[in-house]
Amino acid sequence: DIQMTQSPFSLSASIGDTVTITCRASQSISTFLNWYQQKPGKAPKLLIYAASSLQSGVPSRFSGSASGTDFTLTISSVQPEDFATYYCQQSYITPGFTFGQGTRLEIK
Amino acid sequence: EVQLVESGGGLVQPGGSLRLSCAASGFTFSSYEMNWVRQAPGKGLEWVAYIGSDGGPIYYADSVKGRFTISRDNANSSLYLQMNTLRAEDTAVYYCARLRAFDYWGQGTLVTVSS
Repeated sequence: DIQMTQSPFSLSASIGDTVTITCRASQSISTFLNWYQQKPGKAPKLLIYAASSLQSGVPSRFSGSASGTDFTLTISSVQPEDFATYYCQQSYITPGFTFGQGTRLEIK
Repeated sequence: EVQLVESGGGLVQPGGSLRLSCAASGFTFSSYEMNWVRQAPGKGLEWVAYIGSDGGPIYYADSVKGRFTISRDNANSSLYLQMNTLRAEDTAVYYCARLRAFDYWGQGTLVTVSS
């Protein structure tokens, strides 16, 4: 199975900061990497698919990039509504659409 | 508007069974692969099962293989998860989600396995 290692586990940021979350795959997954945002008590929401494509309706301050088996989610100028938990997920290998462990973004 | 609405969750004793349903609307259900994803209380997300648009292929997480069965009824735009031999560790909110990049999710249904 492919393992997805996400870091950091949590981070604190102030409004307007730029934050970066990283996800590393245990083997090549091409660009079959997706990012989700989840707020307490709610279903996850797709932000980025195929490593760098912005899902319709998602603000452009969210962006994704890839370098080999390393993937990055960047939030430019964090807004109050961005404080949530973020997950990466690989959709390359079936069975097993593995998620990362999650990163909790908290307000500083 | 795409909508996915799960139902069927509840409290069940260890060893018991439960059948979850996901009613889809707002899109051509028969054209889309579907999944079940779960989240234990306070934990991360875990993919559970996948089914292709016409009923195949079907894949399961190792943690549920042999106990859970995913199925679909394209005529009624519905997805199902039959859960047998339930364990305490199956306690979670269960979501249905569309495609392999889960672009739409339902609101979830809580399954609690406890005596």
